[in-house]
Amino acid sequence: GQNIDQPTEMTATEGAIVQINCTYQTSGFNGLFWYQQHAGEAPTFLSYNVLDGLEEKGRFSSFLSRSKGYSYLLLKELQMKDSASYLCAVRAFSGGYQKVTFGTGTKLQVIP
Amino acid sequence: GAGVSQSPSNKVTEKGKDVELRCDPISGHTALYWYRQSLGQGLEFLIYFQGNSAPDKSGLPSDRFSAERTGGSVSTLTIQRTQQEDSAVYLCASSASPQKYPNYGYTFGSGTRLTVV
Repeated sequence: GQNIDQPTEMTATEGAIVQINCTYQTSGFNGLFWYQQHAGEAPTFLSYNVLDGLEEKGRFSSFLSRSKGYSYLLLKELQMKDSASYLCAVRAFSGGYQKVTFGTGTKLQVIP
Repeated sequence: GAGVSQSPSNKVTEKGKDVELRCDPISGHTALYWYRQSLGQGLEFLIYFQGNSAPDKSGLPSDRFSAERTGGSVSTLTIQRTQQEDSAVYLCASSASPQKYPNYGYTFGSGTRLTVV
């Protein structure tokens, strides 16, 4: 099975930078995703990492270290609309299928 | 269609009744997934369809749950003899083939909020 850990909640100030960490334990690793989910809405895809290193996409960046089973999502120039839950999800080969397992999410509150 | 469409958006049912939830994925997406999310919880994997391959049913919590995907497009998730613990938001997602396009994420529908009373 897979084990994915993220902090439950975080608070950060508008305009600041915040880093949301995710650690995982899995066999057959085949990629890590980050999703954003606003309250009462469906998750939306933010980023994908399969190789070690940093992927940058505008204000959002995602980092992966496969050897450490570790990823982080970096949000820069925080805006109030960034208040949401951020879900780390790991894809792995399991029983002949590629399965994506989600963490329980980190609820980020951006304050003025 | 332009996005993943789920119906109904809300469903209230009595304990013991059967329910059917529908998902219409993005045209051309070969992969379709069902997850459920209880209040304040993460997404729990239920079932995964990929093209014409046998589905991965390993996440279905009991034999009261079943799903089918007709013609490689629309999917129906059926819950028989519903129980109160089945109350959750049921989310459907689709994607291009993860084998061909591994860096593509899922596109989720808006979900069906199921309440069993």
